[in-house]
Amino acid sequence: EAGVAQSPRYKIIEKRQSVAFWCNPISGHATLYWYQQILGQGPKLLIQFQNNGVVDDSQLPKDRFSAERLKGVDSTLKIQPAKLEDSAVYLCASSLGRQETQYFGPGTRLLVL
Amino acid sequence: SQQGEEDPQALSIQEGENATMNCSYKTSINNLQWYRQNSGRGLVHLILIRSNEREKHSGRLRVTLDTSKKSSSLLITASRAADTASYFCATAEVADMRFGAGTRLTVKP
Repeated sequence: EAGVAQSPRYKIIEKRQSVAFWCNPISGHATLYWYQQILGQGPKLLIQFQNNGVVDDSQLPKDRFSAERLKGVDSTLKIQPAKLEDSAVYLCASSLGRQETQYFGPGTRLLVL
Repeated sequence: SQQGEEDPQALSIQEGENATMNCSYKTSINNLQWYRQNSGRGLVHLILIRSNEREKHSGRLRVTLDTSKKSSSLLITASRAADTASYFCATAEVADMRFGAGTRLTVKP
């Protein structure tokens, strides 16, 4: 069974530029999560989808971050414009249902200069 | 906002010793999960314990849950150098999941 796929693995951009991350969850998983993990901290939930609907985006900085999950499968997370403090690892995870075991992708390491 | 808080923040032990990490949380939960993260990699699920369970085992891992004290502990027995990683607890609140800041475990060979 294929795991959660993410791309790109690394990205370096300058502040005020835009960037997009892609996630392909495990087949059949209804719930998809995007987390931001700053070095030395635990993952912070940015947004949670149940199929193609948003369940929780209370910690998503909506003035610059956006995410979508078209057709309830793949998802993209966009930052526009990026700030220095956005430098972090962006993790995507999926699960069969809400509050169940999450399976994480390898993450995308973003560096904003 | 983060829900679980792990204690200690860092732990260093010798190979073969046992390692115990604790997690405290604030609100009612449906379940509590422990994850491991090796440096520079994604998180790996270790064990899930539901709110009506008190103890669970998986190989060298033992997890306890005390809902009256709002706390959980993860015990790794006979530790190995390969257990060196960060360990996170995640609490399933009424709506969603929240992770703590983690315990950094170093097992010296």
